[in-house]
Parts: sequence; structure tokens; C-alpha cells
Amino acid sequence: KAGVTQTPRYLIKTRGQQVTLSCSPISGHRSVSWYQQTPGQGLQFLFEYFSETQRNKGNFPGRFSGRQFSNSRSEMNVSTLELGDSALYLCASSLERTGRAFFGQGTRLTVV
Amino acid sequence: EDKVVQSPLSLVVHEGDTVTLNCSYEVTNFRSLLWYKQEKKAPTFLFMLTSSGIEKKSGRLSSILDKKELFSILNITATQTGDSAVYLCAVDANDMRFGAGTRLTVKP
Repeated sequence: KAGVTQTPRYLIKTRGQQVTLSCSPISGHRSVSWYQQTPGQGLQFLFEYFSETQRNKGNFPGRFSGRQFSNSRSEMNVSTLELGDSALYLCASSLERTGRAFFGQGTRLTVV
Repeated sequence: EDKVVQSPLSLVVHEGDTVTLNCSYEVTNFRSLLWYKQEKKAPTFLFMLTSSGIEKKSGRLSSILDKKELFSILNITATQTGDSAVYLCAVDANDMRFGAGTRLTVKP
């Protein structure tokens, strides 16, 4: 069974640009969550999608958004990038909304 | 506000030692507590705990939850260099709240 796939693995963007990250969950998993990981703040919850609906959102500005498609694949978008958005963005999928989550390898975003 | 606190933040031991990692939490709508190991990028699942007092074991690792005192511990016995990693505690409540992690270094 293929694991959680995140693309791209690395990304360099300029301040003010926008970026879209993609996450393909494990086949059959309906819940996808996104996290931002930085050395200073640790792993912080961004949002959770289940059956194409955003079920929960963390404490991030509106520049961070996401969506989930009918095949459970998810994308997250960050607009008007700031230097502080440089981080490892991790996606995790699970069968249902609670329980064990499987993480992807992450997308390392660098904003210059 | 929900919070999860792990201690210690870092730990250096020698192979063969036993370590205990701590995780305390204050959350509303607790559903479960999970432990993950993060070596490079993707955290890998270790345990999920939902009931107090029931120890979960996997090889040299074990974990237990105390829902009355709101904490969990992760024990690793006979540590090996391959146990070197960041261990993350997460509480599934209103959202998935992670602690800052404990960085464990096991020296030969």
C-alpha cells in the first residue's frame, strides 16, 4: 500500500508569491490534516479535511487555505508569502477523523 | 487554550540505558493521546492511548496514560543508537495538538 505522498518535496519562493502544496493520502483514507513545523514553534495544526469538508482549522491567518477533492487528495495554498512561512509542511491521513495518522515526508518551503 | 507539554526537551543517554519521556496536557474534549517518533521528516506512529492505566507495549517501548492526572509517559528500555530521534506527543481533542517534542540522543 503506498504511503502518503506530498509534492513537491522542496520549494523556494519569493516573498509576496503564492504556493500550492499537494497531498495524496493512503488509499481509502478519508481524513487529511495539514501541519506546519518550524524549529521555534514545533508542529502546529493547520486544518483538517474529511469528505471534502473542512472540519477544523488551526490558528493561522486567512492566507492559509486548503481543499479536499472527491478522491481525498488535498491541496493547501498559502498566498502573499512571508519569510516566516518558511517551514516543513506535513500532511497526514487517517481512515476516519480520529486515531492513528500516517504522515507524508513533507514539503520543505523556503521563502526568500 | 489547549496545551501539551513534553519534558525533558532533550536527553542524552548511553546505549543500554532506560529512559522515560513525559507528556502532560490540558485540553477540552479529550479523545486520545498519541506518541510519534520523528527521525528525519515524517513522524511515525508509536502508540495511541485512550484509556487510563492500560499499558501499551511494542518491543522495548511502552506507554501508559493517566486521565485523572492528565499525563502520559513513554518508556524505552535498553536504548539503542537507532532510538535517537525526536519523540512527539499529540493529543486529539478539539484539534490535534502536539507537544514540542523530546530530542533523544543515544550514544554508543
